[in-house]
Amino acid sequence: EPEVTQTPSHQVTQMGQEVILRCVPISNHLYFYWYRQILGQKVEFLVSFYNNEISEKSEIFDDQFSVERPDGSNFTLKIRSTKLEDSAMYFCASSEGAGVTYGYTFGSGTRLTVV
Amino acid sequence: ELKVEQNPLFLSMQEGKNYTIYCNYSTTSDRLYWYRQDPGKSLESLFVLLSNGAVKQEGRLMASLDTKARLSTLHITAAVHDLSATYFCAVALMNYGGSQGNLIFGKGTKLSVKP
Repeated sequence: EPEVTQTPSHQVTQMGQEVILRCVPISNHLYFYWYRQILGQKVEFLVSFYNNEISEKSEIFDDQFSVERPDGSNFTLKIRSTKLEDSAMYFCASSEGAGVTYGYTFGSGTRLTVV
Repeated sequence: ELKVEQNPLFLSMQEGKNYTIYCNYSTTSDRLYWYRQDPGKSLESLFVLLSNGAVKQEGRLMASLDTKARLSTLHITAAVHDLSATYFCAVALMNYGGSQGNLIFGKGTKLSVKP
């Protein structure tokens, strides 16, 4: 069964450093998403991406965050200057298309620890 | 703002018993999802409910949707230890133009099934 692949599975970084989280969505999917889950809490939407541009973003997704699809297969989330409160599990998701019949496939996540 | 409330947040039950998890949401949506998450793992899609009165069953789990009451239920029949996990409901927001919107998650129900 097709998978959404995320790398790395765990990243530790110092506060103020830049991190890039990588995702390879399912190949025929057109819609891409990033979510995060702070330990023990609910999953929160960050951003959605379609047709090479951001289609929606949450209040969490401030100027420190950016997304890119640099080469047609990878989908990246960059945090420019990490803060302690950015420590969370970050999930990438993709969807085949728009409309009510399509579900979302989530990757296995990247655990980001900011120290 | 769409809010999604789950209850209970914690559920300890004995094997063989039945129980129901409830998911209420605050605004109109025609798509509701149930996910399972094992500790430290990704989100596994269980059910997608697309219309009022929709009922889906898989093994010991059955999900239903009442869009008029803005309520979904996840019913567990004759629980077994393998069902121990955190269960999330999520409601899809349709963004402008009706394209695939983002998911708003409930806080999750941590289910523990004891022998």
